[in-house]
Amino acid sequence: EVQLVESGGGLVQPGGSLRLSCATSGFTFSGYEINWVRQAPGKGLEWVSYISTTGSTIYYADSVKGRFSISRDNAKNSVFLQMNSLRAEDTAVYYCARDEYYYQYWGQGTLVTVSS
Amino acid sequence: EIVMTQSPATLSVSPGERATLSCRASESLGNLAWYQQKPGQAPRLLIFAASTRATGTPARFSGSASGTEFTLTISSLQSEDFAVYYCQQYSNWPPTFGQGTKVEIK
Repeated sequence: EVQLVESGGGLVQPGGSLRLSCATSGFTFSGYEINWVRQAPGKGLEWVSYISTTGSTIYYADSVKGRFSISRDNAKNSVFLQMNSLRAEDTAVYYCARDEYYYQYWGQGTLVTVSS
Repeated sequence: EIVMTQSPATLSVSPGERATLSCRASESLGNLAWYQQKPGQAPRLLIFAASTRATGTPARFSGSASGTEFTLTISSLQSEDFAVYYCQQYSNWPPTFGQGTKVEIK
């Protein structure tokens, strides 16, 4: 069974940092691209970042470029999202989602709250 | 970036009735997906390539495309279909989502 499990969310002050993790199982991790998608409370879905199978190709939404960094460890079947200089508008549930273009599999999400 | 506009924002439908959801792209595109999201849950992929049902998607869900207009049709609404539906284009980077259509019980 394909599983993606996010962790690392929590309450952080504006300007602070958090590192999210997405642990996966049930598929050959090194063969799949991974994305992060977020959803602010009561709002719609926003794509955040993408990483290719080897990590050689990475994309970011303009809203997070220069502040967020995506990486992966194929030996640990995991993807990470380092979030720096967090702002109130980054408050959201962050999902990791498998596949390059459309997302067949999603994690359950981890809530990030940026507030003083 | 391509802007996706969904309509209506809310659709009130009685169980057993047909629901038609629209998604318009700001420019021509060929690749679109539909997702269903229920409260407290992650989105679930329903349709990709505009009209191909994902594994496990019931046959009452169908997708179609005409130019920049895309449609998700639920032929006969079941109780489990009341949810929010999102379209997503993946023709161009960055991938973008519509703002969602909430299908509620009439």
